[in-house]
Amino acid sequence: NAGVTQTPKFRVLKTGQSMTLLCAQDMNHEYMYWYRQDPGMGLRLIHYSVGEGTTAKGEVPDGYNVSRLKKQNFLLGLESAAPSQTSVYFCASSYGGQGAEAFFGQGTRLTVV
Amino acid sequence: AQSVTQLGSHVSVSEGALVLLRCNYSSSVPPYLFWYVQYPNQGLQLLLKYTTGATLVKGINGFEAEFKKSETSFHLTKPSAHMSDAAEYFCAVSDRSQAAGNKLTFGGGTRVLVKP
Repeated sequence: NAGVTQTPKFRVLKTGQSMTLLCAQDMNHEYMYWYRQDPGMGLRLIHYSVGEGTTAKGEVPDGYNVSRLKKQNFLLGLESAAPSQTSVYFCASSYGGQGAEAFFGQGTRLTVV
Repeated sequence: AQSVTQLGSHVSVSEGALVLLRCNYSSSVPPYLFWYVQYPNQGLQLLLKYTTGATLVKGINGFEAEFKKSETSFHLTKPSAHMSDAAEYFCAVSDRSQAAGNKLTFGGGTRVLVKP
């Protein structure tokens, strides 16, 4: 039972480069989320999805795009990476019931130089 | 917008001593309340949550938390710390509205150090 799997686990980008982070869940969850974690700030929501084909902005969406073409996958894209996007990125999913817990992936550590 | 405050970014306790991590939220309507734990280089794992009913909630690894509406608090405790409790702990809330999509708002986290 893999749960939530994130790819890649580590990445170094140069300023201006683009990349896509992949999140896959095998729990048939309706809801999926992308958070970023920065020291002292906890986790902040970037984008989320409440179902296949739907996405919405979170607290810090600027500089990111997402897509959810399949229920089990949620992609996070950086079109033109900036040093301010250096962070640890976490994907999470939940089954959609009210108060449902979120299940988190292992994280992707991204450094933009 | 909701906000979550965790008092103390770092807490040091002796093995066997009480662990107390404080969490306060700002919301006119009590939200759903969660505590997550993060071990080094890992994702977050749910410790416990409060949705409705009994205000004292028991979780995994001997942790418990009490929801106090009048104090807008959800403090986490463990009677006796173990070396394996060394980790970062996050308090989080989500809005009770169905339209909110179970989005979590996190506190800044409290890193717990356990001294032998």
